[in-house]
Amino acid sequence: EAQVTQNPRYLITVTGKKLTVTCSQNMNHEYMSWYRQDPGLGLRQIYYSMNVEVTDKGDVPEGYKVSRKEKRNFPLILESPSPNQTSLYFCASSLAESYEQYFGPGTRLTVT
Amino acid sequence: RKEVEQDPGPFNVPEGATVAFNCTYSNSASQSFFWYRQDCRKEPKLLMSVYSSGNEDGRFTAQLNRASQYISLLIRDSKLSDSATYLCVVNTGGSYIPTFGRGTSLIVHP
Repeated sequence: EAQVTQNPRYLITVTGKKLTVTCSQNMNHEYMSWYRQDPGLGLRQIYYSMNVEVTDKGDVPEGYKVSRKEKRNFPLILESPSPNQTSLYFCASSLAESYEQYFGPGTRLTVT
Repeated sequence: RKEVEQDPGPFNVPEGATVAFNCTYSNSASQSFFWYRQDCRKEPKLLMSVYSSGNEDGRFTAQLNRASQYISLLIRDSKLSDSATYLCVVNTGGSYIPTFGRGTSLIVHP
């Protein structure tokens, strides 16, 4: 089954404790992205990747890091999480620019 | 990069009604357009792409008006299961940063 998976689905952590949210897709897609969704603000792109070892900033990259060492994986790293990073995070992949995006199920992160 | 705007609603309609949403975009260089559906606390899923000539998929019709810079979604014969948030997405060529509208909430009641 074609899918995007994310782990963990739910995470509660404390300020400053490094965490990684994993994302994996099995569709051999070139493009992958991370978004955060906050009430009243909609979906905002954090980082995206056009291929292995090629990443770029989206609209709200501050406080986040990503890597793309393999085509299927695109982890999101929060080196020192803060409460304003409490949000619902989605990973997405697509075959190419301007194509449909497939989203993972989301990760609900709470930073206290 | 400029915004994509949607009426947040909620649109509260009875079963069987026809409802239309609009989405305006301000970047004339925008090249591709989509409607996604998002159920509460779930991931967005593609409802339909929007083509220049307009396109239809069952009860759903999408239209693009480049001159006025808006896209629309028409839902005919609304079902209870159509209740969701509908997200408008606009891509501008040359930069893979899709712009999402904040979504329009639809509630279909018996």
